[in-house]
Amino acid sequence: GESVGLHLPTLSVQEGDNSIINCAYSNSASDYFIWYKQESGKGPQFIIDIRSNMDKRQGQRVTVLLNKTVKHLSLQIAATQPGDSAVYFCAETITSYGKLTFGQGTILTVHP
Amino acid sequence: KAGVTQTPRYLIKTRGQQVTLSCSPISGHRSVSWYQQTPGQGLQFLFEYFSETQRNKGNFPGRFSGRQFSNSRSEMNVSTLELGDSALYLCASSLGGGHDIQYFGAGTRLSVL
Repeated sequence: GESVGLHLPTLSVQEGDNSIINCAYSNSASDYFIWYKQESGKGPQFIIDIRSNMDKRQGQRVTVLLNKTVKHLSLQIAATQPGDSAVYFCAETITSYGKLTFGQGTILTVHP
Repeated sequence: KAGVTQTPRYLIKTRGQQVTLSCSPISGHRSVSWYQQTPGQGLQFLFEYFSETQRNKGNFPGRFSGRQFSNSRSEMNVSTLELGDSALYLCASSLGGGHDIQYFGAGTRLSVL
């Protein structure tokens, strides 16, 4: 029979709002985490990364928070814009060459 | 600096055929990783090559194979195609260290009929 597709979480916000996208990662031994953005018809685009010895890192309009106690990552986007509409993935690795383990993704829709 | 280039962008094959996909990494990057993206399974790691050697491998059958050339360009091959191999195949390049950012190409969309 047909395979069942992943049901991605969705987040819908108004332009100018702040967005928070959450991710539960799977391996407590993971020591490096990355957030990617994927627009339709494109490959994942790097947004921001964080190592396990940090709990917060800021970039331009984005902040990543890491809570190792509960194995949780979040991506905060300030002043969200329509161009931020995309699928957002978190990825983790155990410094294992090349092997990123991706979360299921979250669909972000920004309404003008 | 040019990004990661994958060719072809689209492919249509029939069951039982084989296919070869190509990836040119960012200049100076020595590591190339391959991923399969499907609606059902999401993004899954296939394998990684560095300096022409496979350093890491995901949980895919032996029908999926790859190689890397001395100029860091990489190819992946899928033999005896199955309907379930229909997917977006993504290539990512990095400098090659454990904490290096992987930069992705636009992917090759493979449809198996």
